[in-house]
Amino acid sequence: EDQVTQSPEALRLQEGESSSLNCSYTVSGLRGLFWYRQDPGKGPEFLFTLYSAGEEKEKERLKATLTKKESFLHITAPKPEDSATYLCAVRNQAGTALIFGKGTTLSVSS
Amino acid sequence: GAGVSQSPSNKVTEKGKDVELRCDPISGHTALYWYRQSLGQGLEFLIYFQGNSAPDKSGLPSDRFSAERTGGSVSTLTIQRTQQEDSAVYLCASSLAPRGGQETQYFGPGTRLLVL
Repeated sequence: EDQVTQSPEALRLQEGESSSLNCSYTVSGLRGLFWYRQDPGKGPEFLFTLYSAGEEKEKERLKATLTKKESFLHITAPKPEDSATYLCAVRNQAGTALIFGKGTTLSVSS
Repeated sequence: GAGVSQSPSNKVTEKGKDVELRCDPISGHTALYWYRQSLGQGLEFLIYFQGNSAPDKSGLPSDRFSAERTGGSVSTLTIQRTQQEDSAVYLCASSLAPRGGQETQYFGPGTRLLVL
């Protein structure tokens, strides 16, 4: 059964304190691993798609990496505006939907 | 350009009533998806439409839930005889036609449904 597990559930950082979020997945034939950001009261906002082990993508203070079993979202020198819930997802076997983890809620204080 | 839009943004209803939720996808996107996000839960897939193909309804939790897509664009999710456990945020997403399953899904702001 396809499954996505994210850890930790919640993470509190001080401004400038770098850290990483983890996404472990089990899927038959990876067709893309997706990272989204979700702010309270809003829909998920697309960040990255990774397709193969070893691939990396960056956007501002965020960098996503992928291995055969997990993905990491590295946050370098975070700012308060990076506070949000970060969601990880993989495409299901039929290719018709995304299977999401429960997310990591990040709080960055100044 | 305009993103995915959903209406209403919030809906409060009484147990047993029917509700209709609307989604307008991004222009040119032929694939449309509905998800549900309950408190403390991840996003849960409900239904998928692609062009004129039969929809994938495998995620609908009961026969009280149905959805249609008219003219390959706007979609309506209908929940009949609502129950309190239907309270959740209903999210719609759209994407270009899937080719090898690599198309990015873009989400709307969601409809927050509260069943009293």
